Amino acid sequence: EVQLVESGGGLVQPGRSLRLSCAASGFTFDDYAIHWVRRAPGKGLEWVSGISWNSDNIGYADSVKGRFTISRDNAKNSLYLQMSSLRAEDTALYYCAKVDGYTWGYFDYWGQGTLVTVSS
Amino acid sequence: QLVLTQSPSASASLGASVKLTCTLSSGHSTYAIAWHQQQPEKGPRYLMKLNNDGSQRKGDGIPDRFSGSSSGAERYLTISSLQSEDEADYYCQTWSTGVVFGGGTKLTVL
Repeated sequence: EVQLVESGGGLVQPGRSLRLSCAASGFTFDDYAIHWVRRAPGKGLEWVSGISWNSDNIGYADSVKGRFTISRDNAKNSLYLQMSSLRAEDTALYYCAKVDGYTWGYFDYWGQGTLVTVSS
Repeated sequence: QLVLTQSPSASASLGASVKLTCTLSSGHSTYAIAWHQQQPEKGPRYLMKLNNDGSQRKGDGIPDRFSGSSSGAERYLTISSLQSEDEADYYCQTWSTGVVFGGGTKLTVL
């Protein structure tokens, strides 16, 4: 059974940093791309960032470019999102999502999310 | 620019059918999309991938009540025999150099 379990969310002050993790199981992690998607309160799903199976292909939404860094550790079956210079508008549930392919594509499995709240 | 457009809301009665629409922006009418469901307080769930020829690949355990179809730049999700648990937000998603979501359709089951 494919499982994606996010962690690392919490309450953080504006301008500070936070690191999210996503632990994957039930599939061959290093065969697939994996992404971060968020949902802010009262809004829809927003793509944040994605990373290919071998980390050669990385992309970011304009809203987080230069502030967020995605990475993965295939030996640990884990995905990370280092978030810095956080803003109130980054408050959201953050989901990791597996792609059915090596790079970009459609998401065939999702995690349950971890909540990030940016507030003073 | 690759954009997906969805109506913000839809409603239908218990046991009836509903057809949700996702429209691809000009110049992108051949793109495949995926449909995802997000029930209240839950993570999103993959429903199906839908190609421009109407062929589809469903996610694990997705019932036959959910089906997809395509016409030009329009991609459709039809839910038949509506149940209360179908009340959810539905998103279409596509990809190019990045990933794009539609704004989502909130489905109310009356």
